[in-house]
Amino acid sequence: AQKVTQAQTEISVVEKEDVTLDCVYETRDTTYYLFWYKQPPSGELVFLIRRNSFDEQNEISGRYSWNFQKSTSSFNFTITASQVVDSAVYFCALSESLTQGGSEKLVFGKGTKLTVNP
Amino acid sequence: DTGVSQNPRHKITKRGQNVTFRCDPISEHNRLYWYRQTLGQGPEFLTYFQNEAQLEKSRLLSDRFSAERPKGSFSTLEIQRTEQGDSAMYLCASSHSGGGNYGYTFGSGTRLTVV
Repeated sequence: AQKVTQAQTEISVVEKEDVTLDCVYETRDTTYYLFWYKQPPSGELVFLIRRNSFDEQNEISGRYSWNFQKSTSSFNFTITASQVVDSAVYFCALSESLTQGGSEKLVFGKGTKLTVNP
Repeated sequence: DTGVSQNPRHKITKRGQNVTFRCDPISEHNRLYWYRQTLGQGPEFLTYFQNEAQLEKSRLLSDRFSAERPKGSFSTLEIQRTEQGDSAMYLCASSHSGGGNYGYTFGSGTRLTVV
């Protein structure tokens, strides 16, 4: 069965600090996708990034960066120079590939609540 | 297209009443998913449609829950004889086939409170 673990329940930092959110996943599929979503207090899930299992290149988008390591089944998310607007719950998620014949439903971790204080 | 739309945004109901939620996906997306999110937890999969066919249901979806997607367009999720444990945020998402490759767009959710 697929599983996503976000061991950090809550993190609190001061503005401008760097912060890394951890994500560890389990799957027996050889082809899968990993996602990060942001959920602000308003409740909607905002897509941040998608990665397929064959692409281990790290990615940087502005202040956000992601480190995907298949060897440790991890897909960690770093925010550089955090800002108050980054305060939200962040979810890591995993989906099986269409080629496995499934629904490609997302399996989410429990989320990490990030609070950035001014 | 303005994204995935869910109505109502909030619903308060008395225990034992029936409720129905609606999701309007992105028009060109043929896949539609329902998830439930309780406080402090990540969203959990409930059910999935490809066009009008309901192809997968989670064991979380008790017989009090029913979902439809007539004509492969909007979808409804009905909960009969609501219980306090049904209080949660109900999220809808849509995608193209090969959702993992194209990503999923979520609606803002319907927050249900059963009193």
